[in-house]
Amino acid sequence: DAGVIQSPRHEVTEMGQEVTLRCKPISGHDYLFWYRQTMMRGLELLIYFNNNVPIDDSGMPEDRFSAKMPNASFSTLKIQPSEPRDSAVYFCASSPKGTREETQYFGPGTRLLVL
Amino acid sequence: GNSVTQMEGPVTLSEEAFLTINCTYTATGYPSLFWYVQYPGEGLQLLLKATKADDKGSNKGFEATYRKETTSFHLEKGSVQVSDSAVYFCALSVGAAGNKLTFGGGTRVLVKP
Repeated sequence: DAGVIQSPRHEVTEMGQEVTLRCKPISGHDYLFWYRQTMMRGLELLIYFNNNVPIDDSGMPEDRFSAKMPNASFSTLKIQPSEPRDSAVYFCASSPKGTREETQYFGPGTRLLVL
Repeated sequence: GNSVTQMEGPVTLSEEAFLTINCTYTATGYPSLFWYVQYPGEGLQLLLKATKADDKGSNKGFEATYRKETTSFHLEKGSVQVSDSAVYFCALSVGAAGNKLTFGGGTRVLVKP
């Protein structure tokens, strides 16, 4: 398997623009997670899905952030409008099941810079 | 709630030195414990895990033992290499609603030749 695929790998945009990050989880995995990593706040869980349904979005910072999973092989994280404080590395991860023993498999991340 | 505390870095070592990274946790329920590693410019990958008390996880020369009595999961390696330079994250999952992970702040390790 190719692992978790994220695109783009790097994104530079200007404040106020819409940003869309994409993720393809590992085939057969039921769970998908979106994380944000910054120096100041470390790794934060933003939202996660089970079988394409959002389960917990309590980590989404504000209404400017939205995430969708239209099917089992694709998810998007959208920021509209973007702000400089959104600059971070965004990771997508997937796991087969939701038991506590399960490993999460991370993608390579999207490095976002908002000017 | 759930939380993970790990020693702050950076930790700078010489090659072949002994490495210990401390990790303690608080959890509601019975957690599984994980160490993830992040190499420069990459995503996180699982290094090792333990799912019940006294279990020892091991991989690539790294070891960690699940200590319920001290709520700890310290990572150790007897002889580090330059290629072990990375950021190491301790994490837990209680699986109450999916295997949501709670991460520590990460410890950057730099191994010098």
